[in-house]
Amino acid sequence: EDQVTQSPEALRLQEGESSSLNCSYTVSGLRGLFWYRQDPGKGPEFLFTLYSAGEEKEKERLKATLTKKESFLHITAPKPEDSATYLCAVQVMDSSYKLIFGSGTRLLVRP
Amino acid sequence: GAGVSQSPSNKVTEKGKDVELRCDPISGHTALYWYRQSLGQGLEFLIYFQGNSAPDKSGLPSDRFSAERTGGSVSTLTIQRTQQEDSAVYLCASGVQREPQHFGDGTRLSIL
Repeated sequence: EDQVTQSPEALRLQEGESSSLNCSYTVSGLRGLFWYRQDPGKGPEFLFTLYSAGEEKEKERLKATLTKKESFLHITAPKPEDSATYLCAVQVMDSSYKLIFGSGTRLLVRP
Repeated sequence: GAGVSQSPSNKVTEKGKDVELRCDPISGHTALYWYRQSLGQGLEFLIYFQGNSAPDKSGLPSDRFSAERTGGSVSTLTIQRTQQEDSAVYLCASGVQREPQHFGDGTRLSIL
């Protein structure tokens, strides 16, 4: 069964304290891995797509990496506005392009 | 530009009533998805529409749930005879095949 697991469930950081969020996956065949950010009361906002092991993407303080078993979202020198829930999802090699989501990591960055 | 629009943003109804949730996708997006996000749980796939192809209904939890997409654009998710366990945020997303899906802000459904 295709599965996505995110850790930790929650993370508290001081402003400027860098860290990483983990997304491990078990799938029959990976088409792509997606990172989203979700603020309270809002829908998920797209951040990155990674398609193959070794690929990296960066955007401001965020950097996503991918291996054959997991992905990391590295947050460098976070700011309070980075506080949100970060969701990881995979798209598998089948006829549907549906996303299979992990349960997310709630990030709180304190000033 | 205009994003995915969902209505209503909130819906409160009594157990046993039928509800309809609407989604207006981004113009030009051929794929449309419905997901459900329950309290403390991840997003759960419900149904997928792609162009004129038969929809992938594999995620619908029961036959009380149905959805249609008219003219390849607007979609309606219908829940009949609502139950308390149907309380959740229903999210719609649109996209183009393997490209990133873009989400609306959802309909928060509460069943009394």
